[in-house]
Amino acid sequence: SQQGEEDPQALSIQEGENATMNCSYKTSINNLQWYRQNSGRGLVHLILIRSNEREKHSGRLRVTLDTSKKSSSLLITASRAADTASYFCATGRGSTLGRLYFGRGTQLTVWP
Amino acid sequence: DGGITQSPKYLFRKEGQNVTLSCEQNLNHDAMYWYRQDPGQGLRLIYYSQIVNDFQKGDIAEGYSVSREKKESFPLTVTSAQKNPTAFYLCATTQGSRLEQYFGPGTRLTVT
Repeated sequence: SQQGEEDPQALSIQEGENATMNCSYKTSINNLQWYRQNSGRGLVHLILIRSNEREKHSGRLRVTLDTSKKSSSLLITASRAADTASYFCATGRGSTLGRLYFGRGTQLTVWP
Repeated sequence: DGGITQSPKYLFRKEGQNVTLSCEQNLNHDAMYWYRQDPGQGLRLIYYSQIVNDFQKGDIAEGYSVSREKKESFPLTVTSAQKNPTAFYLCATTQGSRLEQYFGPGTRLTVT
């Protein structure tokens, strides 16, 4: 079953603007990950945040996690046309080591 | 070059035929996963294997079979029992206790 639900389903912005995507989930997790997928390609891991962390940064990416609200957000700052892709959140649970539960994704389009 | 290979990129079959999708990795990763992705959907787990000669069903295993005779290889057979096999199939791996998954480029299967 799919665990995460991303919001919005689609996001369209201009280059230079920030893009924020949200992910909500239903059960307890031990980590949450964000992945990127270019059209027709495999997924690429972006960032992982553990359940005892609240915020992580990687380059232009900032991820937050609020376990009390069972939600996470991915912020991409100063977006570029090359950031156009689908972004998925995936949750991991301690009881099922290694398994990830993916959401349906947010389709981000960045216009030059 | 280290990586995950999925072949072929596109595969066409007639209804009623079994078809085997290849996934090979030279990353020396322990765990391997098969996912199915339908248009506008997230990834759904079909089967996964954490060690050689052992594998577990995921959420949508019906109509699929796998084997893990070698660490490097995790082929997926789509049988005629799978009601709606047309989809994009993705193979992924993880190493040891690490949580992030590495994905292959995918195989797009079309059954008519």
